[in-house]
Amino acid sequence: EDKVVQSPLSLVVHEGDTVTLNCSYEVTNFRSLLWYKQEKKAPTFLFMLTSSGIEKKSGRLSSILDKKELFSILNITATQTGDSAIYLCAVEYAGNMLTFGGGTRLMVKP
Amino acid sequence: DAGITQSPRHKVTETGTPVTLRCHQTENHRYMYWYRQDPGHGLRLIHYSYGVKDTDKGEVSDGYSVSRSKTEDFLLTLESATSSQTSVYFCAINDRENEQFFGPGTRLTVL
Repeated sequence: EDKVVQSPLSLVVHEGDTVTLNCSYEVTNFRSLLWYKQEKKAPTFLFMLTSSGIEKKSGRLSSILDKKELFSILNITATQTGDSAIYLCAVEYAGNMLTFGGGTRLMVKP
Repeated sequence: DAGITQSPRHKVTETGTPVTLRCHQTENHRYMYWYRQDPGHGLRLIHYSYGVKDTDKGEVSDGYSVSRSKTEDFLLTLESATSSQTSVYFCAINDRENEQFFGPGTRLTVL
């Protein structure tokens, strides 16, 4: 059975800290891995990763994929209160389908 | 927002009544999806469509049907709503880079 597991389940940090969120997967016919940020509304797209070892970066957020060890990490540097959200990892497999992990709830305190 | 709208945004209904949720997109995307999101279960795929009149089941399709008679509209129907179908429902599309974007969601409460 396809599985996507995120850790930690939740995390509380202070502004300025750096955080690393983890996503491991067991999926047949892997095509890509996607990260989303969800505040009190719909998930918003952050990154799509298809190749191992190539970092994707957007401002203070970056992500990398390891297809050999079947995991990805999402890093957020110099965290701000606006980074507080649930971060979702999803893996795309054949047929343009996504399987989602349960999410990591991040709270950034002032 | 990838040109996706959902209607209604909120609905309260009673057990046993039929309910239809609408997803509308303006950018001619081929793939459309319906998910539900529940605490402890994350996002789960209900049904998806890969073209007009082409649909298939997802992980949690029991109790739901879909229709896609036009590229821009993907309808999700609960033939006889149950309390277990109380959830937040998201529609999504795949863009040309195969990145999936979500609509604003519909909060459905079945009493």
